[in-house]
Amino acid sequence: AQTVTQSQPEMSVQEAETVTLSCTYDTSESDYYLFWYKQPPSRQMILVIRQEAYKQQNATENRFSVNFQKAAKSFSLKISDSQLGDAAMYFCAYKDSGGSNYKLTFGKGTLLTVNP
Amino acid sequence: DSGVTQTPKHLITATGQRVTLRCSPRSGDLSVYWYQQSLDQGLQFLIQYYNGEERAKGNILERFSAQQFPDLHSELNLSSLELGDSALYFCASSVVASGGTDTQYFGPGTRLTVL
Repeated sequence: AQTVTQSQPEMSVQEAETVTLSCTYDTSESDYYLFWYKQPPSRQMILVIRQEAYKQQNATENRFSVNFQKAAKSFSLKISDSQLGDAAMYFCAYKDSGGSNYKLTFGKGTLLTVNP
Repeated sequence: DSGVTQTPKHLITATGQRVTLRCSPRSGDLSVYWYQQSLDQGLQFLIQYYNGEERAKGNILERFSAQQFPDLHSELNLSSLELGDSALYFCASSVVASGGTDTQYFGPGTRLTVL
């Protein structure tokens, strides 16, 4: 079974600085998808960024980018120019690309605090 | 706003009772997923429906059941509730049931408290 590990339960960053959240995963599949979701205090799950395993190029979305290392099974999220609104719980998630079960498998999350 | 709606937002009930959680997917989405978020178990997949049919089951208890109706909305039924069922229940939807760059968009969740 696939597993997702986020080794940093909590992280903090100064406003306008850069922070990197770590995620590793375990799978025997060669094709899959990885996601970062953000959960602010409102509890809404918001998609931040998505990466297809077959793509070598790292995904970027404005201030958010990933460092996808397929051989190492690592998928970190970099937040540049951190803003107060970035404070949230961040979840790394994995999804198979094939088969019949398309569930998301989530890590335990990293709580990000942004200090003014 | 993801376009996925869930009702009610909050639900407080007693042990042994039965509740129904409702989800309306984004317009055009055929797949609905239910997840449970609790402090001890984290975010866990419960069940998936595609166009009215069950497609996959996760760690869903036998006391829980779900269905997807012809208009594609879905309901999650929780019965014989226990204190440990207190959690945030999310519904997510996506366009298709299969792989590909099929992204799941989450609703705001229903917070269930069992007293």
